[in-house]
Parts: sequence; C-alpha cells; structure tokens
Amino acid sequence: ETGVTQTPRHLVMGMTNKKSLKCEQHLGHNAMYWYKQSAKKPLELMFVYSLEERVENNSVPSRFSPECPNSSHLFLHLHTLQPEDSALYLCASSRDDLRADTQYFGPGTRLTVL
Amino acid sequence: RKEVEQDPGPFNVPEGATVAFNCTYSNSASQSFFWYRQDCRKEPKLLMSVYSSGNEDGRFTAQLNRASQYISLLIRDSKLSDSATYLCVVIGSLNTGFQKLVFGTGTRLLVSP
Repeated sequence: ETGVTQTPRHLVMGMTNKKSLKCEQHLGHNAMYWYKQSAKKPLELMFVYSLEERVENNSVPSRFSPECPNSSHLFLHLHTLQPEDSALYLCASSRDDLRADTQYFGPGTRLTVL
Repeated sequence: RKEVEQDPGPFNVPEGATVAFNCTYSNSASQSFFWYRQDCRKEPKLLMSVYSSGNEDGRFTAQLNRASQYISLLIRDSKLSDSATYLCVVIGSLNTGFQKLVFGTGTRLLVSP
C-alpha cells in the first residue's frame, strides 16, 4: 500500500546531529499527524496539521520541529535529540480533523539516538 | 486514570479458539470508538469501527457498553494470521476544540498451531 509513505524507514543519529523525517500522503486528505510510539506506551500525538496550518502542538519539546509545506507533505526536523527520543515515529493522514475520522498511517521511521 | 486502558496481554490461544478483549475509557462524553490492528514492526491499521448497536465483520465482533464505559472485541475461530496487537481507540478533544484519536497501549494476541 502506498497511501502514506515515510522516509527514511530507519535512522540512527547522534545527539548533535540534525536530521529530517519526511511523510507524503497520496490520498487527497486535508489533515496530517505526527505520532511517537515508544515501547509499552500508547501512541502519543505530537503534532496536527489541518490544511497546512498547525492546530495542535501537544507539549512537544522544541528539539522537534514540524513543517507542512502543503497538504500532501509533512516533515519532522530533529536536532539535539536525547537517547529517550528513540522510538517509532508514525505519520498519519485523514480527510479532516474537524471530525477525527479514520486515520491512515505510514510505515513509520524507527529512530535510534545514540 | 488513563484515558484508554487495555490489558497488555499477551493472550496465547490455539487456532480455532474464541478470544475477547476489553478496553475501558475514562471520558463519558466520547462518541466514537475504533479497533486498530498493529502487526509487529508495522503501522496500525483500522480493523473496525464500534457502533452503539454493535458491529460484526466476519469473525470479528465489536461491542460498546456506554454505561460501563468499555468496548470489546471478540474474535471467533482464531487464525495464525490474527496474531498481532489490537489497539483500542477513542475519540478525544484537542485543546483547540478539534478532535483527536486517543490510543490504548494495545493487547497482544498470539495464536499458536
């Protein structure tokens, strides 16, 4: 399935590195999301974009910086991360977020911070 | 209290068995509920929505009990391919007034031959 794609699929970075995660959706959806999934914890919503406008920043540290240049693309810029930021980062999209509808997830980026 | 609570399992069952999972939610105003399935090292995928009247899709049945604030998922005639983590999802609200999905930690199911 290629509805929502994410790159890279795996990323290892040091605490001083700067990297970016990319998400692209081909479903014509208007809302996009970043989630973090750590072991034995529920998916944590990080950011929500609706029609390219950020509608929620769920108390995420500033070392995570999202960017949504258009309704099909979403980026997560990473800098000076900590080892506890190692997790699976999932992107999702839905038709809109006024009514939280079925969300379609990308395959995720498995991030390891050394 | 967590917004959505699930027994993490794992539930170990033989092929052909019937297995049920429950999930409780804290917000009595929640209106919409879902079950997602997540395979090992894969992304979550919608399994089924949960309607007030219950919902059946083949071997899968989802039920909602508003009075007790729990939803359930019943799997009949388990297959090896049913082995996965089942995520309970409830609609919540963002601070901005928009809606969001609130996920439980998931219940892991292992079906053995």
